[in-house]
Amino acid sequence: GQNIDQPTEMTATEGAIVQINCTYQTSGFNGLFWYQQHAGEAPTFLSYNVLDGLEEKGRFSSFLSRSKGYSYLLLKELQMKDSASYLCAVRDQGQAGTALIFGKGTTLSVSS
Amino acid sequence: GAVVSQHPSRVICKSGTSVKIECRSLDFQATTMFWYRQFPKQSLMLMATSNEGSKATYEQGVEKDKFLINHASLTLSTLTVTSAHPEDSSFYICSARDLGSGGIKKLFFGSGTQLSVL
Repeated sequence: GQNIDQPTEMTATEGAIVQINCTYQTSGFNGLFWYQQHAGEAPTFLSYNVLDGLEEKGRFSSFLSRSKGYSYLLLKELQMKDSASYLCAVRDQGQAGTALIFGKGTTLSVSS
Repeated sequence: GAVVSQHPSRVICKSGTSVKIECRSLDFQATTMFWYRQFPKQSLMLMATSNEGSKATYEQGVEKDKFLINHASLTLSTLTVTSAHPEDSSFYICSARDLGSGGIKKLFFGSGTQLSVL
């Protein structure tokens, strides 16, 4: 079956670094995505990994290990506006075609 | 970048009525669009894949007669929730990929529709 796991909630303080982990078991794999979603809004794209390793993009970095079915999103120099839900999603080459399968999301709360 | 427009953003309706949600790709052609549903504090769940000019592909457990999908053109897909009931209250989001963009074929999302059925 398809399964994507990530922690439900995390808290951190401004200026800190936080790592959000994601593990997945899917029938196929054609890329892992991280999205940010504020309440009541559509998800916005943060990062994409299809090969093993670290992808850095400003304050955000994402890591992938395909052999371990594992990814993390690293957020540096946290700001209050980073308080949001972070969704891990996998593109599965199964019946759903090119649709993404989403985890339940990790709600990050950043405090001052 | 690619833009996906979704309307309406919020709908409140009476039980038993039908609600139509539109999803448009504004600056690219989308032969395939995806409809997701999201309950509070839950994941985005894929409901169906909308294919231009052909029937939609529904995920297991999603009633095709209740959630009617029409993808009549390369830039428009509609989702109609027929005979809506309170349990259909949810956040519905459409998405599409710009296959002509090159680079990462990420999904672009509409702004979502919050449906509340009384």
